[in-house]
Amino acid sequence: AQSVTQLDSQVPVFEEAPVELRCNYSSSVSVYLFWYVQYPNQGLQLLLKYLSGSTLVESINGFEAEFNKSQTSFHLRKPSVHISDTAEYFCAVTWMDSSYKLIFGSGTRLLVRP
Amino acid sequence: EAQVTQNPRYLITVTGKKLTVTCSQNMNHEYMSWYRQDPGLGLRQIYYSMNVEVTDKGDVPEGYKVSRKEKRNFPLILESPSPNQTSLYFCASKNSGPYEQYFGPGTRLTVT
Repeated sequence: AQSVTQLDSQVPVFEEAPVELRCNYSSSVSVYLFWYVQYPNQGLQLLLKYLSGSTLVESINGFEAEFNKSQTSFHLRKPSVHISDTAEYFCAVTWMDSSYKLIFGSGTRLLVRP
Repeated sequence: EAQVTQNPRYLITVTGKKLTVTCSQNMNHEYMSWYRQDPGLGLRQIYYSMNVEVTDKGDVPEGYKVSRKEKRNFPLILESPSPNQTSLYFCASKNSGPYEQYFGPGTRLTVT
């Protein structure tokens, strides 16, 4: 069965430190990849996406993710985090043969400390 | 403003009392979906709809019903709620194809 794995349930970091949130998915069949962010008491917002083209995608607030087909991964990175980045981050995957179904990972809570 | 709206935002009810959570989008999206979010489990799809009058089960459909009579609306119905349906519910919509989904603000449901 298709699945998405976020191994880290919580990642504590200090402000201005770099961070990587890991995401792996189960199949190398063609995929579309997304990262969503959920700030406290809010809905989900799209952070960035990979549909095709360059394997490195960036968001407007400094996050980036790289699609690695051989490792079936789509890790999220930021070179220097801010307190305001504290949120829960969800990796989500749609497989091309899945009729639009979006499967989410279990989420990673990023906790940025001063 | 393009958005997905849900009502109510918070609901406390008792076991067995039928309820409906409404969802509406103003982006003319064909696809709509309901998810529940539980700690440590991420979001799991309950039902989805590819277009008007076309609905299908997601991963956790037991105990839920949906309908899609109009393109903009996709209500979630719990005919006889039980405590294990206590959760945070999200409605989402998107255009046909591999595009990102737009999420509503969520409905926190507690069933006692």
